[in-house]
Amino acid sequence: GDSVTQMEGPVTLSEEAFLTINCTYTATGYPSLFWYVQYPGEGLQLLLKATKADDKGSNKGFEATYRKETTSFHLEKGSVQVSDSAVYFCALSGRSGGSNYKLTFGKGTLLTVNP
Amino acid sequence: DAGVIQSPRHEVTEMGQEVTLRCKPISGHDYLFWYRQTMMRGLELLIYFNNNVPIDDSGMPEDRFSAKMPNASFSTLKIQPSEPRDSAVYFCASSRKGVGTETQYFGPGTRLLVL
Repeated sequence: GDSVTQMEGPVTLSEEAFLTINCTYTATGYPSLFWYVQYPGEGLQLLLKATKADDKGSNKGFEATYRKETTSFHLEKGSVQVSDSAVYFCALSGRSGGSNYKLTFGKGTLLTVNP
Repeated sequence: DAGVIQSPRHEVTEMGQEVTLRCKPISGHDYLFWYRQTMMRGLELLIYFNNNVPIDDSGMPEDRFSAKMPNASFSTLKIQPSEPRDSAVYFCASSRKGVGTETQYFGPGTRLLVL
């Protein structure tokens, strides 16, 4: 079945540091890929997405590129802020079978940014 | 739009009691998802509906759990009887059918504690 593997946290960075959170996936067909963010005490929010190979999703300074050849969708940000402290989830939406709208999530990576 | 609304936000109950969690999806969305989040198991999809019809309930842990969607603007997740291992945060999410709209919008969650 579909699966998502993302780097385990926690990740602790200083403000303005470069961020990479690795994500790889296994899926049949051609999934869409997502990064969701969960701030403390809140639900998940969509951060960015990409729907086909080589697409780059971007939002709020975060970027991720859909790499079909390496089955990866790594999240990057050039300069993190304290306000970026949250849990980040990589996810995919399968295109095969009838479950087009079913998301498969990774386990999440806790990011803490210190001033 | 108000977003996905969940109630209650917090619930503390004793083992054996019935618990009912409520969700109002975003107006116009025709998919509704129930998730459970725990430290040990991460984010798990319990069940999802399309046009008020349950499509996939393979994630429902056991017969103590049931979910209904009597109309397009309301869904419930019921646990009867509740057990301490049901303690978790339960999220409801909704999405709308269409090209490239696998994006799910999450509610703030219900934090359940079963004593």
